Amino acid sequence: AQSVTQLDSQVPVFEEAPVELRCNYSSSVSVYLFWYVQYPNQGLQLLLKYLSGSTLVKGINGFEAEFNKSQTSFHLRKPSVHISDTAEYFCAVIASKSGGSYIPTFGRGTSLIVHP
Amino acid sequence: EAGVAQSPRYKIIEKRQSVAFWCNPISGHATLYWYQQILGQGPKLLIQFQNNGVVDDSQLPKDRFSAERLKGVDSTLKIQPAKLEDSAVYLCASSASGQNTGELFFGEGSRLTVL
Repeated sequence: AQSVTQLDSQVPVFEEAPVELRCNYSSSVSVYLFWYVQYPNQGLQLLLKYLSGSTLVKGINGFEAEFNKSQTSFHLRKPSVHISDTAEYFCAVIASKSGGSYIPTFGRGTSLIVHP
Repeated sequence: EAGVAQSPRYKIIEKRQSVAFWCNPISGHATLYWYQQILGQGPKLLIQFQNNGVVDDSQLPKDRFSAERLKGVDSTLKIQPAKLEDSAVYLCASSASGQNTGELFFGEGSRLTVL
């Protein structure tokens, strides 16, 4: 079975400061990793994804994440945040299931709060 | 390209009543998901369809929840009878079959309040 742990429920930060949102996963098989963002009263939108290849992936809005297989982590980073980055961020993992189907599992989310 | 459509956006009912949510996925997307998102938690998968067949419904409370996708396009999620703990946002998502990217496209959700 796969699981996702987001270690921080809330991360407050000042505008233009760097930020890191942590994500660890567990799975006995190969995984695909994702970060989604959810603005108030909206659905989730994909920020970035890791499927294979380079362990550093870049996404929209200046975000990037690094896949670390030995530490089973996929932390999200941004060098300088903006007020508009205030939102809920979800890490998700997809591991292959018998029969070839893919079951996405989400973490509990991290609330990023950017202060002026 | 039109996104995932859900309705209603908001619904308030009393416990023991029934409610139904509707989802229209992105055109051509064979895989459809229903997630339950309780306040302060991440989305929890209730059921996953591939075309009109069920891939996974292990976390669907089948004594009160049901879902169908009869023609492999639209889907309906029903709760009957509702309990207080069913208060949540119900998210529908879809993804393209045959792709291993696994990217999900979400609707805006249906917020249910059970009084």
